[in-house]
Amino acid sequence: DGGITQSPKYLFRKEGQNVTLSCEQNLNHDAMYWYRQDPGQGLRLIYYSQIVNDFQKGDIAEGYSVSREKKESFPLTVTSAQKNPTAFYLCASSIRGEAYEQYFGPGTRLTVT
Amino acid sequence: SQQGEEDPQALSIQEGENATMNCSYKTSINNLQWYRQNSGRGLVHLILIRSNEREKHSGRLRVTLDTSKKSSSLLITASRAADTASYFCATNGNNRLAFGKGNQVVVIP
Repeated sequence: DGGITQSPKYLFRKEGQNVTLSCEQNLNHDAMYWYRQDPGQGLRLIYYSQIVNDFQKGDIAEGYSVSREKKESFPLTVTSAQKNPTAFYLCASSIRGEAYEQYFGPGTRLTVT
Repeated sequence: SQQGEEDPQALSIQEGENATMNCSYKTSINNLQWYRQNSGRGLVHLILIRSNEREKHSGRLRVTLDTSKKSSSLLITASRAADTASYFCATNGNNRLAFGKGNQVVVIP
C-alpha cells in the first residue's frame, strides 16, 4: 500500500528528554512537512523540506529539529528546549511545487509530563 | 504568512441537510484547499481550487472562491452521518500551506 506512516501513535516522555517522531512515505514525494496541532486549533507548520538534504523552518521551529537524509524519511526531534511539547504531531508529503495537495499521516500524540 | 480562517462556528445539522462553511484569507494565493479531519486522525484532502477558478465540484462537495473578497466556501450537500468531522481550509503560497482553525460539523442521523 502506498502512503505515509507515523510511529508511534501515542508517545509519553518525561520533561527534559528529547524525543524523535518518525515519518516515512513511499509515495515518491519530494516534499515533506511537519505540523503541530493543539486542541481546537488548526495546524501550525514546524519544518518543511522540498528535497533531500534541505529543509526550512516553518512558523514555530523553536525547540524542534529535523533531518532529511533520505527521500522517504523526515524525522522530527522534539528537544527539551520546546517549552510546551504536548500536542498532536502530523507529518505530510506532497509532490514538489505549489499546485499539489498534501497527503497526511495518522499523527503521533505526544504527552510530556 | 498567509492564513486561512474559517468562520469560527460549530455546525450541527440533520442528515440530509446541506452544510456550508466559509473561509477568509489575507494575502494573494496560488490555490486554496479544503481538508477533512476525523477526530484524532490525520487530514484528508477534499478539493483544491486554483486562484483563477471560481467554482469547483467533487461529488457532494461544491467549493467557491472569490479572490476579490479573499474568501471561499465549502458546501456539502445531502449530508450523511459519516460527514461528521472537522473541516479546514488552507491557502497555498510560497510552497507551503497555511491552515485555518477548522470548522466542526456534526451530522445527526
